[in-house]
Amino acid sequence: KQEVTQIPAALSVPEGENLVLNCSFTDSAIYNLQWFRQDPGKGLTSLLLIQSSQREQTSGRLNASLDKSSGRSTLYIAASQPGDSATYLCAVSGYGGSQGNLIFGKGTKLSVKP
Amino acid sequence: EAQVTQNPRYLITVTGKKLTVTCSQNMNHEYMSWYRQDPGLGLRQIYYSMNVEVTDKGDVPEGYKVSRKEKRNFPLILESPSPNQTSLYFCASSSNHPSTDTQYFGPGTRLTVL
Repeated sequence: KQEVTQIPAALSVPEGENLVLNCSFTDSAIYNLQWFRQDPGKGLTSLLLIQSSQREQTSGRLNASLDKSSGRSTLYIAASQPGDSATYLCAVSGYGGSQGNLIFGKGTKLSVKP
Repeated sequence: EAQVTQNPRYLITVTGKKLTVTCSQNMNHEYMSWYRQDPGLGLRQIYYSMNVEVTDKGDVPEGYKVSRKEKRNFPLILESPSPNQTSLYFCASSSNHPSTDTQYFGPGTRLTVL
């Protein structure tokens, strides 16, 4: 059964720092991996989607990498800002289980202090 | 504006009183799904639909029903709610199979069953 783990569970950094969020998964047979952002009281917003054949995706200050063989992904946030404060979730879409089911990690709660 | 809407956003009810949470998307997406989010357990898929009149169970379908009579709507039905269904519920949609496409999430419905 696929399991997704995110470390750390919470992270607090000063504004301007570069930071890395980690995601690991137990079954490397995945279609893709997605990173989401969740703000308090709101839904999830997709940040980046990496197909299983890709190594990384970039969007603005965000860069996500995928190492499928080792079951790991990282989300790199450059020059962090207070507006980046949110919970970041990674999710994998795999071959097992119901089709199209995203298996989520429990998230990393990020706080960027001015 | 492209969006997924859910109603109601907040609901307090009593055990056994049937309720429906509506979900609607305006992006002509084929794929829709329901998730619940619980502290310590993360997000888990309840049901999904790959097109009109095509639905299937996710990881935690017990106590829930769904229907997909129209492409844009995917209501979640709790025939006899119980306190263990107290949770935050999210509807999501995507144009293609989530293995290849980003999922868009609604704002969430916070349900309390007394």
